[in-house]
Amino acid sequence: AQSVTQLGSHVSVSEGALVLLRCNYSSSVPPYLFWYVQYPNQGLQLLLKYTSAATLVKGINGFEAEFKKSETSFHLTKPSAHMSDAAEYFCAVTEKIGGGADGLTFGKGTHLIIQP
Amino acid sequence: DAGITQSPRYKITETGRQVTLMCHQTWSHSYMFWYRQDLGHGLRLIYYSAAADITDKGEVPDGYVVSRSKTENFPLTLESATRSQTSVYFCASTHSGSSNEQFFGPGTRLTVL
Repeated sequence: AQSVTQLGSHVSVSEGALVLLRCNYSSSVPPYLFWYVQYPNQGLQLLLKYTSAATLVKGINGFEAEFKKSETSFHLTKPSAHMSDAAEYFCAVTEKIGGGADGLTFGKGTHLIIQP
Repeated sequence: DAGITQSPRYKITETGRQVTLMCHQTWSHSYMFWYRQDLGHGLRLIYYSAAADITDKGEVPDGYVVSRSKTENFPLTLESATRSQTSVYFCASTHSGSSNEQFFGPGTRLTVL
């Protein structure tokens, strides 16, 4: 079974500073990887996904992530944090779950706090 | 409206009662999923469905039952609710293929007293 590790359950950065949220996965083959964002009392919204094309993936709201196979990592970054970025962020990896279906295995999430 | 909806959004029930959470999607997606979200655990898969009348267990299926008589609906039933099933439940759907993102509903916050 796949596993996803997100380092840091809470990350705090100042407005305008670099955002770095870490994600490592366990997989012997290149997986499909996703970052989702969850704003308070809402469902999950896709930020970006890696599907074996470019290793540097650009997403919405200025976020991007780089797939590094040698490090089994897919860290999420944003050059300059904005107050509206405060949310819960989830890294996820696809996993075969039978019946031709591909499920998602999620990390435990990182709560991003933006300091004014 | 197009999209994926869940009802109710909030539910309070008592231990031992049966509860059904509804999920409806308008995209005719083949695959549908139920997750529960708990602090410190992220999201965990309860059940999934590859098509109408095809369902299977996920990581944490005990105490839950699903059905899928129509492609667009995927209800989740707690046959006899327990306090440990207090959680936020998310339904998701996707067309097919592992590179396709899953689209999530807004969630149902369930409290079992």
